[in-house]
Amino acid sequence: NAGVTQTPKFRILKIGQSMTLQCAQDMNHNYMYWYRQDPGMGLKLIYYSVGAGITDKGEVPNGYNVSRSTTEDFPLRLELAAPSQTSVYFCASSYPKNAAGYTDTQYFGPGTRLTVL
Amino acid sequence: DQQVKQNSPSLSVQEGRISILNCDYTNSMFDYFLWYKKYPAEGPTFLISISSIKDKNEDGRFTVFLNKSAKHLSLHIVPSQPGDSAVYFCAANISNTGKLIFGQGTTLQVKP
Repeated sequence: NAGVTQTPKFRILKIGQSMTLQCAQDMNHNYMYWYRQDPGMGLKLIYYSVGAGITDKGEVPNGYNVSRSTTEDFPLRLELAAPSQTSVYFCASSYPKNAAGYTDTQYFGPGTRLTVL
Repeated sequence: DQQVKQNSPSLSVQEGRISILNCDYTNSMFDYFLWYKKYPAEGPTFLISISSIKDKNEDGRFTVFLNKSAKHLSLHIVPSQPGDSAVYFCAANISNTGKLIFGQGTTLQVKP
């Protein structure tokens, strides 16, 4: 299993440009997440999905959009890039821990380092 | 409002000694706590977790302690090894939400 994969690894964008960060997992996990990590800070949840066709906002969703058409893929879209979106982006996935749907361990991809100039 | 706090940005210990990383939280609804380890240019990897119904969980050299009354948890690494040098994140979860709230991280350096 490749686990969670992310592309690209690095990207430089100009203000106002758009791009899609790709995320895929081959573990058949229902839950997928997007986080961003700013320097010296913890990870903040942008969006998450509990299954194909279902997405919801996290702590910092403004400026981003997501879709989940398959179990495997969870792309993150930046429509009008701003310098404040310069960050490292991590995708993660997890499987419900128990029958109640409780999840704990999330598996992370290697990250995408995005710079907006 | 930072619901999960790691007040020590860095920690340096000698190889073979104990490393103690601390984490405080404010939300009494959190019922599951995790520690993640992160090397540069990699994603975080799960290390150890603890449910709020327990006060201790061990896995080899790693032990997590939970003090619910103080809303405090700690990660003990004994003995510390140079390969443990990394950033350690504390995270908390509320059942059935699937959403983790992370602390800011503590950079651990283990000196040979």
